[in-house]
Amino acid sequence: SQTIHQWPATLVQPVGSPLSLECTVEGTSNPNLYWYRQAAGRGLQLLFYSVGIGQISSEVPQNLSASRPQDRQFILSSKKLLLSDSGFYLCAWTPARTVTHRDGYTFGSGTRLTVV
Amino acid sequence: GEDVEQSLFLSVREGDSSVINCTYTDSSSTYLYWYKQEPGAGLQLLTYIFSNMDMKQDQRLTVLLNKKDKHLSLRIADTQTGDSAIYFCAESMAGGSYIPTFGRGTSLIVHP
Repeated sequence: SQTIHQWPATLVQPVGSPLSLECTVEGTSNPNLYWYRQAAGRGLQLLFYSVGIGQISSEVPQNLSASRPQDRQFILSSKKLLLSDSGFYLCAWTPARTVTHRDGYTFGSGTRLTVV
Repeated sequence: GEDVEQSLFLSVREGDSSVINCTYTDSSSTYLYWYKQEPGAGLQLLTYIFSNMDMKQDQRLTVLLNKKDKHLSLRIADTQTGDSAIYFCAESMAGGSYIPTFGRGTSLIVHP
């Protein structure tokens, strides 16, 4: 069966420090991968998505970047965190686009980031 | 542009039915989804409905779709305290990349 792992679960970082959040998927090949941010526990903002290794689409220009070094690995990074980067970050995957959309997203358990 | 709207809060008594409503603007939406998010966790897909369906029932959950009014609802029968969560409505279109549009979520609070 497919599983998605996201870590760390909680992170407190000072302003100006770097960030690296990792997400990996198991049990599937060539997934579409996504990073979402949920600010103040409400709403979902799509940050990045990837349909393949090295292919990253950015939805919102900001202080963050994403990379996909391997088929089932998706990394969210920042060189210098801002206070406004605080939030709940969710990784998700879907089957490749040729598969029916009915499967929906499978989300990771999220990372609570607090920038202080 | 695409937009999905939901009311932010719903409070019900345990054992009653809950109805969470959602409206969307894109008439070419093909799939409509309901996700559940428990506190501090990721989202879990509860159910989905194709746009050519009017209703779908799955145990205590009933999804109703009114395509004319672009209105989607989720009914939870015999609501339990464990149903307390944020419920997100989402819609996507067939073809192209799969990027659903999410509503802001409805917080369901179930009182004993």
